[in-house]
Amino acid sequence: GQQLNQSPQSMFIQEGEDVSMNCTSSSIFNTWLWYKQDPGEGPVLLIALYKAGELTSNGRLTAQFGITRKDSFLNISASIPSDVGIYFCAGSSGNTPLVFGKGTRLSVIA
Amino acid sequence: KAGVTQTPRYLIKTRGQQVTLSCSPISGHRSVSWYQQTPGQGLQFLFEYFSETQRNKGNFPGRFSGRQFSNSRSEMNVSTLELGDSALYLCASSLALGVTGGEQYFGPGTRLTVT
Repeated sequence: GQQLNQSPQSMFIQEGEDVSMNCTSSSIFNTWLWYKQDPGEGPVLLIALYKAGELTSNGRLTAQFGITRKDSFLNISASIPSDVGIYFCAGSSGNTPLVFGKGTRLSVIA
Repeated sequence: KAGVTQTPRYLIKTRGQQVTLSCSPISGHRSVSWYQQTPGQGLQFLFEYFSETQRNKGNFPGRFSGRQFSNSRSEMNVSTLELGDSALYLCASSLALGVTGGEQYFGPGTRLTVT
């Protein structure tokens, strides 16, 4: 089945630093989604990408749909304490179910 | 607009029992998907319902089942509970089937503990 490799698994950064994380797939996706999950809550959709090469921003967050359609990147600029959480990438190749990465746990040191 | 709601939020059951979880999608959303989240396996797809029909199914045993009602509300049932079924069960809704039917929005989840 489809596999998503998300890296890094965890990050410790200073407040104000920029953050980058990425996902790679063993197969081509038509859609990439990025979610953030806080403890005890469900994932919250951050950014949706539908076209290869697409670059989309949501405030301090920027995500890109890789040209090969097998990868995606999420960048967070000028991190703040409320950015703490687990970030998940998810992909789909159409009407197939979403496949999720294992998540990147972000910790921000004030 | 109200988000996805799931009940109950927390549940403790013993091995061998069965459990039913409920999910109410965002108003107007017709597709409901269920996921199991555990620390070891991450988020794993269980099944997706659209127009009261199961459209996709993940790789879980037959003890896991679900249904969708005409108002798009969905329930999932787990019979003969095992310790390994302890997890956060998440429901997500979208306008239509699959990702092409729109982005999926998650509920807060039901934390199931099996003792």
